[in-house]
Amino acid sequence: DQQVKQNSPSLSVQEGRISILNCDYTNSMFDYFLWYKKYPAEGPTFLISISSIKDKNEDGRFTVFLNKSAKHLSLHIVPSQPGDSAVYFCAASATGTYKYIFGTGTRLKVLA
Amino acid sequence: GAVVSQHPSRVICKSGTSVKIECRSLDFQATTMFWYRQFPKQSLMLMATSNEGSKATYEQGVEKDKFLINHASLTLSTLTVTSAHPEDSSFYICSASPSGGDTQYFGPGTRLTVL
Repeated sequence: DQQVKQNSPSLSVQEGRISILNCDYTNSMFDYFLWYKKYPAEGPTFLISISSIKDKNEDGRFTVFLNKSAKHLSLHIVPSQPGDSAVYFCAASATGTYKYIFGTGTRLKVLA
Repeated sequence: GAVVSQHPSRVICKSGTSVKIECRSLDFQATTMFWYRQFPKQSLMLMATSNEGSKATYEQGVEKDKFLINHASLTLSTLTVTSAHPEDSSFYICSASPSGGDTQYFGPGTRLTVL
């Protein structure tokens, strides 16, 4: 039972354009969501998060949107840069658990 | 800051042997450490949560006698895969939290191959 789903295993985007990575979840108890970026041979690093009381959180080139009714979140990267090429994981947790449920990841390739 | 290391990065062992993986927080004290496992093309799955000085809490389906976790200090947790079998071959990754879990810093992972 995959509670957090990233249905696109890979995505290619031209440098300078927008990258949109999507994530869906099924558990309505989830109220905190995170995006992690992972380079080969390294552990995931935290990118951006959003609480369910908000529908948007922005940090520089990265914006996360949350649609609670659709149980969907997305990560927008604008403008995309070659250094953004990595695997992106979304994760979700419920209040008080600190237990992260991860998606399967989307491999983003930004073409120069 | 907030660096987490794992050792070894790769290990190959024979079936039936035990393998120990170390997870260290290098520049902070980790009250809580988490162990994850990732099979190819699958998500990181939480195996267990450990708090310094107490027994680990295992997720459903994870055998605590097979995956021994020790969190003896605020900077070190170890995962021992006992009597390893080929199906235990996976990518094991730890994370450490200075604050009980809301902020987790991940290690680089350990690739275990059991022959």
